[in-house]
Amino acid sequence: AQRVTQPEKLLSVFKGAPVELKCNYSYSGSPELFWYVQYSRQRLQLLLRHISRESIKGFTADLNKGETSFHLKKPFAQEEDSAMYYCALSGTYKYIFGTGTRLKVLA
Amino acid sequence: NAGVMQNPRHLVRRRGQEARLRCSPMKGHSHVYWYRQLPEEGLKFMVYLQKENIIDESGMPKERFSAEFPKEGPSILRIQQVVRGDSAAYFCASSPEIGGAYYNEQFFGPGTRLTVL
Repeated sequence: AQRVTQPEKLLSVFKGAPVELKCNYSYSGSPELFWYVQYSRQRLQLLLRHISRESIKGFTADLNKGETSFHLKKPFAQEEDSAMYYCALSGTYKYIFGTGTRLKVLA
Repeated sequence: NAGVMQNPRHLVRRRGQEARLRCSPMKGHSHVYWYRQLPEEGLKFMVYLQKENIIDESGMPKERFSAEFPKEGPSILRIQQVVRGDSAAYFCASSPEIGGAYYNEQFFGPGTRLTVL
């Protein structure tokens, strides 16, 4: 079955602490993996994708095919990182989304 | 480029009424996708359209739901005889012509929040 799992609904960290948002996937084939972010009252926007290997706003994510994971990491959380984060995969044109993790960065 | 536009942003309907949700893709994008997000769930794919064609509607309920993307004008997601279970956020996304290395990056609209009373 094709599935994206984000086990944490809510993750609270203090400002300056490291952040790791977990994402595991199930897909037969070679999907493309994405992280989307939704700030309060704004639309979903692409944060990063595994094929570009970029670091956006200090976030990185490494695709681990052996563990079928694509965890999102940031070494030092900022208050402005507070948002909903969605992991998604795409094998063709269809995106399969996880249920999202709300990240709260506390002052 | 104004990005993907959706209207209305909020729509309230009584049971049995019709709901029409509109989506204008980004300029130059000819592919439109609709997703539904029920409370506490992730976005779920409903339908994929190109101009005047439905490519994949496998995620759309068989009854009461229809979608179109005419040659001129926005894409429309239509829900007839709405029920309480249709209350959700409906997101539209668009992408440019398939063919490039990043063809499947989708750009999302702000969503339409449908409430059925």
